[in-house]
Amino acid sequence: QVQLHESGPGLVEPSETLSLTCTVSGGSIRTYHLTWIRQSPGKGLEWIGEVKDSGSTNYSPSLNGRVTISIDTPDIQFSLQLTSVTAADTAVYFCARTSVAGELDLWGQGALVTVSS
Amino acid sequence: DIQMTQSPATLAASIGDRVTITCRASQSVTGWLAWFQQRPGKAPHLLIYKTSFLERGVPSRFSGSGSGTEFTLTIASLQPDDFATYYCQQYQSFPYTFGEGTKLEIK
Repeated sequence: QVQLHESGPGLVEPSETLSLTCTVSGGSIRTYHLTWIRQSPGKGLEWIGEVKDSGSTNYSPSLNGRVTISIDTPDIQFSLQLTSVTAADTAVYFCARTSVAGELDLWGQGALVTVSS
Repeated sequence: DIQMTQSPATLAASIGDRVTITCRASQSVTGWLAWFQQRPGKAPHLLIYKTSFLERGVPSRFSGSGSGTEFTLTIASLQPDDFATYYCQQYQSFPYTFGEGTKLEIK
């Protein structure tokens, strides 16, 4: 069955750029969107943004223009970039398959990213 | 942004109990409301979408209801697997937002 898997560096230095990849395996997510969500240690869920299958995007304003979500390889690989990171960006980052209506119906297992020097 | 407020933050209950979790939105989300379950160290997974539609494979003891700004998740008869944290999420308008979570604990 379809699975999503997040990957990337587990440690990023302050002021640098966090880069993660979401890889789809076991099937297609064509016609779905792809959303990134994060969860700070011991805290709740924060919606970061989404990319539609057309490539258009929507982002959370709380990230102040620091985020870019893109399609690297259609239906297979999607990326998240977050610039100028601080310790407040330390979190588990999830990618999730998203229906056209907006439902987050299939999640990756998550990737912990720590911002520290 | 639409603010989502869940209550209670923590709920202690016993196996077999019927429990209800409430989610209130700061403005109407029409029916675009989902519920997720998250176990420790795991990703959330979708239980209910569009207020009351049960995701495939989710046991029928879970149900959702509500409209406008007030929504509820009910678990009819608690099972051991149900002790977890539950989140509501609105997807009426960007940025999509989550409630703070309700931790369901064993009494």
